[in-house]
Amino acid sequence: ETGVTQTPRHLVMGMTNKKSLKCEQHLGHNAMYWYKQSAKKPLELMFVYSLEERVENNSVPSRFSPECPNSSHLFLHLHTLQPEDSALYLCASSQALRGDYGYTFGSGTRLTVV
Amino acid sequence: GENVEQHPSTLSVQEGDSAVIKCTYSDSASNYFPWYKQELGKGPQLIIDIRSNVGEKKDQRIAVTLNKTAKHFSLHITETQPEDSAVYFCAARWGGTASKLTFGTGTRLQVTL
Repeated sequence: ETGVTQTPRHLVMGMTNKKSLKCEQHLGHNAMYWYKQSAKKPLELMFVYSLEERVENNSVPSRFSPECPNSSHLFLHLHTLQPEDSALYLCASSQALRGDYGYTFGSGTRLTVV
Repeated sequence: GENVEQHPSTLSVQEGDSAVIKCTYSDSASNYFPWYKQELGKGPQLIIDIRSNVGEKKDQRIAVTLNKTAKHFSLHITETQPEDSAVYFCAARWGGTASKLTFGTGTRLQVTL
């Protein structure tokens, strides 16, 4: 498989559940990102992982927890979410450290919190 | 951080006409400006980008222009086709070694027959 793969494509979870989103990139990129896409809002950067830095958006609640075990895999662990967390969660990767700044996005996970 | 504003939010053009989408950014240190196209049910796809040392870039029917002094950049699509209908996002890169992008709010382009 090529590109950036996100699983699952759709997820419905209750507010007391714990779930994880998975992202895998097959491009040999060295940076990975989580973005949140809500209706009528800009894509919001949540987390960045690269060889040299990890960046967190300070406005992201602690109920979202990222994990990046290696340069090809990225997870977003979810627990005790709120209905307003329902959104499309997009993973992206880039070869930023070589000056190639463009992202390759996955197709996203559509999350619904009930 | 960076702040990016994008206009218009919706744009309807007839097939064959041109479409222009405009963005402004706030951080004069930003040096990379990509444009993404997002179709229904898919993630955004990079369609063209420009770096701060270049004023214009073309790729077939699409072009991007950058005015660093005014801190704005624009996407131009000529000879629009129905398959150009999608949501388009501009973005600006800011800070650090990783490529952190701040996105505009998107423009929904509708190309009518």
